[in-house]
Amino acid sequence: EVYMVASGGGLVQPGGSLRLSCAASGFTFSGSHLNWVRQTPGKGLEWISYIGSGFNIHYSDSVKGRFTISRDNARNSLYLEMNSLRTEDSAVYYCAADRDWAFIIWGQGTVVTVSP
Amino acid sequence: QSALTQPASLSGSPGQSITISCTGTSSDVGSFNRVSWFQQHPGKAPKLMIYEDTQRPSGVSNRFSGSKSGNTASLTISGLQAEDEADYFCCSFAYPFAWVFGGGTKVTVL
Repeated sequence: EVYMVASGGGLVQPGGSLRLSCAASGFTFSGSHLNWVRQTPGKGLEWISYIGSGFNIHYSDSVKGRFTISRDNARNSLYLEMNSLRTEDSAVYYCAADRDWAFIIWGQGTVVTVSP
Repeated sequence: QSALTQPASLSGSPGQSITISCTGTSSDVGSFNRVSWFQQHPGKAPKLMIYEDTQRPSGVSNRFSGSKSGNTASLTISGLQAEDEADYFCCSFAYPFAWVFGGGTKVTVL
């Protein structure tokens, strides 16, 4: 069965840090391009970071310099280190694998709430 | 990059067809054959329905079809069914390297 499961969300104060994890199974993880996408009721879906199968990395302007994406192919896991969190980072965070420039596999989301 | 523009809501009766538009710019929708469409039911993760403007993944009903003209992409749902009631989002790869999403369209089956 193909799946991705995100975890690590929670409540954190502004300026704080959080590390999200995403466990994957059922597909060739090491050969896949991976992303983090977040969703809020107000702003909808927002792509925030990509790590290719060759470990090339890209970020959206909204998180560049604050968030770090990484992957561990031996553990079939994707990570997102989030620092200097702001209230506007509150969202449901999804991990997703892309192919043919589309997000073909989505994990269940994990909720991040940034609040005093 | 700015979000793509979609209508906030659309509705139709069972059996009818509806078309959701998604307008971007020459830096995203108009530049690449990389528009995708997602269906999302409440509390669930998005599901890919169309990729590369017009391609349908295995397992997706042929009632769903995609098209594009210039900077505007469209998703058509034919033979509307109750289970099609959901939110629909368009997405495009954008220059130089990003993905941008539409604000979403809530489809109601009357």
